Amino acid sequence: EAQVTQNPRYLITVTGKKLTVTCSQNMNHEYMSWYRQDPGLGLRQIYYSMNVEVTDKGDVPEGYKVSRKEKRNFPLILESPSPNQTSLYFCASSLKGNPNYGYTFGSGTRLTVV
Amino acid sequence: AQSVTQPDIHITVSEGASLELRCNYSYGATPYLFWYVQSPGQGLQLLLKYFSGDTLVQGIKGFEAEFKRSQSSFNLRKPSVHWSDAAEYFCAVGLNTNAGKSTFGDGTTLTVKP
Repeated sequence: EAQVTQNPRYLITVTGKKLTVTCSQNMNHEYMSWYRQDPGLGLRQIYYSMNVEVTDKGDVPEGYKVSRKEKRNFPLILESPSPNQTSLYFCASSLKGNPNYGYTFGSGTRLTVV
Repeated sequence: AQSVTQPDIHITVSEGASLELRCNYSYGATPYLFWYVQSPGQGLQLLLKYFSGDTLVQGIKGFEAEFKRSQSSFNLRKPSVHWSDAAEYFCAVGLNTNAGKSTFGDGTTLTVKP
């Protein structure tokens, strides 16, 4: 089944403890992206990747890192999480970077930083 | 910068009634337009998209949307709503000049009354 898989689905962590949220897609998509969803703020893009080894900042990149060493994987790294990073995170992929393809989304990761 | 406005935060309709969700965008040229649906606890799923041609587009689950350039709108419609349509709906705009990035509206939550 074609899908975007995020892990974990739920995570509670403490301030400052490094964490990684994994994202993997099995559709050979070139484009991958991370979004966070917050009440009243909608979806905001954190980082995106046009292809392997090509990443760029979205609208809210502060406090996050990403890497794209393989086409299928696009992990989101929080080096020192803070409570304001408590949010619902979505990974998305698209066949190419052209916007007309639309996105396939993962099921989300709900992160709580205490 | 492009923007997307969904004027209705919450809409309630009776099962079997028709539905229209509003979406307005701000951009100088014709953008790529999308509607996504998010069921509780799930990621976003692409319902339909428009980027050229016929201004009335058909999507999955019986939804359609009409692009009106003069009104900068891309409203989503369904003739007869089912209880399973209860979800949050997001309009999004993508730009060819923005490396695959899509900007999302804040969403409209649809409640379906029995």
